[in-house]
Amino acid sequence: NAGVTQTPKFRVLKTGQSMTLLCAQDMNHEYMYWYRQDPGMGLRLIHYSVGEGTTAKGEVPDGYNVSRLKKQNFLLGLESAAPSQTSVYFCASSPPPSHEQFFGPGTRLTVL
Amino acid sequence: GENVEQHPSTLSVQEGDSAVIKCTYSDSASNYFPWYKQELGKRPQLIIDIRSNVGEKKDQRIAVTLNKTAKHFSLHITETQPEDSAVYFCAASKGSNYQLIWGAGTKLIIKP
Repeated sequence: NAGVTQTPKFRVLKTGQSMTLLCAQDMNHEYMYWYRQDPGMGLRLIHYSVGEGTTAKGEVPDGYNVSRLKKQNFLLGLESAAPSQTSVYFCASSPPPSHEQFFGPGTRLTVL
Repeated sequence: GENVEQHPSTLSVQEGDSAVIKCTYSDSASNYFPWYKQELGKRPQLIIDIRSNVGEKKDQRIAVTLNKTAKHFSLHITETQPEDSAVYFCAASKGSNYQLIWGAGTKLIIKP
């Protein structure tokens, strides 16, 4: 099993550009999450999904959109990137009733 | 909403000594408290967790204690080793929604 994978690993964008980050898991987990990690601030939840076709907002959803068309994939979109969105983005999945979250390797995004 | 505070932000201990990291939470309905370890450049991984019906849990050199009355929980690492150097995150969750609210992290440095 590959577990949780994320593409791309690194990306540099200019202000105003758009992009999509892909998260894929092969563990048949129901729940999936997108976090951003900034120095000294821990992990902050952007959006999450409790099943195929469902999404919900987390702590810091502004400027991001998500979609979960297939159970194994969770996409994070930035429509108009801003320098404040420079961060490391982690995807995670979990199989209820377990609370354990399994993380992907992360995507380092820089917005110039 | 839930708020999780974590202290200290940096902890330096001599190899072989013990390390203690503390977290406090605000929502008395929280009932699940995991600890994750993140090595430099890697993804967070669960190392131990505790539920609100248990006061203490041990796994070899690591243990977690929970004080529901005071709303705080702690991670204890005994006989520290160089491979324990990492950033440690605590989190809290109410079981119904599977969202984790994270502390800001503690950078643990093991001095040889």
